[in-house]
Amino acid sequence: LAKTTQPISMDSYEGQEVNITCSHNNIATNDYITWYQQFPSQGPRFIIQGYKTKVTNEVASLFIPADRKSSTLSLPRVSLSDTAVYYCLVVNLAGGTSYGKLTFGQGTILTVHP
Amino acid sequence: DTEVTQTPKHLVMGMTNKKSLKCEQHMGHRAMYWYKQKAKKPPELMFVYSYEKLSINESVPSRFSPECPNSSLLNLHLHALQPEDSALYLCASSQEQGRNTEAFFGQGTRLTVV
Repeated sequence: LAKTTQPISMDSYEGQEVNITCSHNNIATNDYITWYQQFPSQGPRFIIQGYKTKVTNEVASLFIPADRKSSTLSLPRVSLSDTAVYYCLVVNLAGGTSYGKLTFGQGTILTVHP
Repeated sequence: DTEVTQTPKHLVMGMTNKKSLKCEQHMGHRAMYWYKQKAKKPPELMFVYSYEKLSINESVPSRFSPECPNSSLLNLHLHALQPEDSALYLCASSQEQGRNTEAFFGQGTRLTVV
């Protein structure tokens, strides 16, 4: 199971772009990278998933370099409501005992200020 | 309908009680998950069901007993819990175990053991 490392916390201001980087040095060939958002007293919410290069959806972009040992979640023009914990996960979609396990690391607490 | 419904929202139980947590989804998902989350910590995976069969048990103590009576329902039976088992219990579902990394989480059951 690939371990992930993220900054414990980040601060930003409304309207800014926020980039949260996750390190996953021992990612395996068939692992996918996924990000979740969690507000207090709620379940996590899926944001985006990727394997390599760049993925974009209506909420965020995910940048993955060629060596796949890190990834960056980019949130454009954040607002106060984006204050939450953001989790980076590396998920085995190939097979084996860890197949499909969604294992959460420590996450990054993002605080958006007015 | 992209909702995972958990009941009850709050539960207080004594150490000698038996209680059950319930989870329901009507998205046709065939993978369902139980997580435990302590305050200011990431969710910890407890169990995974795939096509109503237990697929992953993360060495959870036997005082927690999962059950998947059909493809839409997931229960967690609780017996002889300890105060340290107090936490937010989250249920999640996904299309299939290992098909992708998008899971839908419920709001959780806040459990207090006294």
